[in-house]
Amino acid sequence: SQQGEEDPQALSIQEGENATMNCSYKTSINNLQWYRQNSGRGLVHLILIRSNEREKHSGRLRVTLDTSKKSSSLLITASRAADTASYFCATVSPGTSYGKLTFGQGTILTVHP
Amino acid sequence: SQTIHQWPATLVQPVGSPLSLECTVEGTSNPNLYWYRQAAGRGLQLLFYSVGIGQISSEVPQNLSASRPQDRQFILSSKKLLLSDSGFYLCAAFPNEQFFGPGTRLTVL
Repeated sequence: SQQGEEDPQALSIQEGENATMNCSYKTSINNLQWYRQNSGRGLVHLILIRSNEREKHSGRLRVTLDTSKKSSSLLITASRAADTASYFCATVSPGTSYGKLTFGQGTILTVHP
Repeated sequence: SQTIHQWPATLVQPVGSPLSLECTVEGTSNPNLYWYRQAAGRGLQLLFYSVGIGQISSEVPQNLSASRPQDRQFILSSKKLLLSDSGFYLCAAFPNEQFFGPGTRLTVL
């Protein structure tokens, strides 16, 4: 079963708007990662946030992590049509030294020009 | 920089035929390697992982098998494909964050 659950399942916005996607998980984690997937392609790693971190930035991306609520959010500011893709959160749990990722079902983001 | 190659990119196979998907990794040594399956463009399911040559762990019982004959080569196989094996197969490598290959879209008819 999937650890992460993203919401919304689909998000449609206009270029220039901000896009916020949320992820909830069920068990304790070492870190949480966000990935992007363009249609029919492989996943691209966006950002990793460790369990002792609360917020992280990378360019137009901002990720927050609330371990008490077992949730994370990904904010894309000033969205562009090229940001259209599926976004997945994935968690690494303690004890999984081999780096097993448990993925959510993803949010499909559509940015209209 | 790390690069993951997968081939073929697409494959259409009849039910009952064998399967061999290959993944090779460049730019890193002794990576952990993973095979995922993705159905209908949604979440990924981990099928196999390997921490070294000849070491394979299976996450879910299924019709598939995996092998790692070399440090940077990971192969996904089946002796007889089922309709339910259709999907998008992704290879990934992990020194830190996981790097993914471009994937193979398998359609079993």
